[in-house]
Amino acid sequence: GAVVSQHPSWVICKSGTSVKIECRSLDFQATTMFWYRQFPKQSLMLMATSNEGSKATYEQGVEKDKFLINHASLTLSTLTVTSAHPEDSSFYICSARKGVVGELFFGEGSRLTVL
Amino acid sequence: EDQVTQSPEALRLQEGESSSLNCSYTVSGLRGLFWYRQDPGKGPEFLFTLYSAGEEKEKERLKATLTKKESFLHITAPKPEDSATYLCAAAGLNDYKLSFGAGTTVTVRA
Repeated sequence: GAVVSQHPSWVICKSGTSVKIECRSLDFQATTMFWYRQFPKQSLMLMATSNEGSKATYEQGVEKDKFLINHASLTLSTLTVTSAHPEDSSFYICSARKGVVGELFFGEGSRLTVL
Repeated sequence: EDQVTQSPEALRLQEGESSSLNCSYTVSGLRGLFWYRQDPGKGPEFLFTLYSAGEEKEKERLKATLTKKESFLHITAPKPEDSATYLCAAAGLNDYKLSFGAGTTVTVRA
């Protein structure tokens, strides 16, 4: 297997503040990472594809200015939820791809609660 | 558009009672079919990748099989620790993004 670390695992913030979530591949280099959002009892919804050294590709309906993604190195991608509002409260999960059509390995997820 | 459908939504089993989960997919040029296990409040844990029809993979009490239209995850003699949500995902030809099914939540009672 492979290890993907996500931090923080949970965060509570006030409405209007920004929150950064980090995703690291610990034992392999990941040129591509993915960010998902998951609502209770629902499957994973892909938000964006993060490519090292280039701009992220966002899925339709996902606000680029709200969810800033940076993939500065082969082992780190970050998701910043800007000016968070209660409706942004959710479980955010990152994954890193190992290989070309390799398995995706997921982080532990980050539970965001916006008050 | 790629689609992945899992059934049933929920499955309640007695310990030792074997069963199967279904994953039907409509994907342009399947590049891989993936099974994951997700525990509450955690990220998915990779289980298997299947690449072509007829392929089978096993891990402890789990066995995944693949046909041209669907995949099955067989749970043999399950134990309570097998309780989890099992997610199926498919990667198509045109991109490397995974399309996820909604999952099957398995509960195994002792």
